[in-house]
Amino acid sequence: GAVVSQHPSWVICKSGTSVKIECRSLDFQATTMFWYRQFPKQSLMLMATSNEGSKATYEQGVEKDKFLINHASLTLSTLTVTSAHPEDSSFYICSARSLDRGGYGYTFGSGTRLTVV
Amino acid sequence: QQQVKQSPQSLIVQKGGISIINCAYENTAFDYFPWYQQFPGKGPALLIAIRPDVSEKKEGRFTISFNKSAKQFSLHIMDSQPGDSATYFCAASFPSGNTPLVFGKGTRLSVIA
Repeated sequence: GAVVSQHPSWVICKSGTSVKIECRSLDFQATTMFWYRQFPKQSLMLMATSNEGSKATYEQGVEKDKFLINHASLTLSTLTVTSAHPEDSSFYICSARSLDRGGYGYTFGSGTRLTVV
Repeated sequence: QQQVKQSPQSLIVQKGGISIINCAYENTAFDYFPWYQQFPGKGPALLIAIRPDVSEKKEGRFTISFNKSAKQFSLHIMDSQPGDSATYFCAASFPSGNTPLVFGKGTRLSVIA
């Protein structure tokens, strides 16, 4: 089946630094990728939608200058948390969807636990 | 505005029992209804999914029941096991390829021996 590889699984960084999270579709071309943020015991909160080769669409309230999303190829999307602060600590999850898989192929990465100290 | 409402928020079931989680949606344009299982520290994993032209789908111990007229769907876990203890999310999506899933708020299931 479809596999989405997300790295790193966890990262600790100092306040003020930037962190990049990668999301790769391993066996299919992901025309659309989604980035979510999840707080403990809560549902997934959509941050942004990105389509290959175009700018990401951010959800209301998500700072696009803080959360930089790049979807330069059909197999790779990256989320960069810039100038991270403790309140950015969270669980970040990517999801990829490809119409190649019958139009219903939502596959999730394993998530990245970000801790900003 | 919450487009997919999920209940209960938490559920405790004895081993061997049936776990039932319910979801209701508002937008009739949704055409795909998946259930995801999530363990702590992991991403959601697709459990089972259904299209609105089918009233029931069964895969092993997991069954989705779908009521199009009531705009409701539910997940039944038969013979629940401690290993089923996880958070379950229902979701819905539109036909368009670049739209995200709309998630329910999740149900924390605990299966006790």
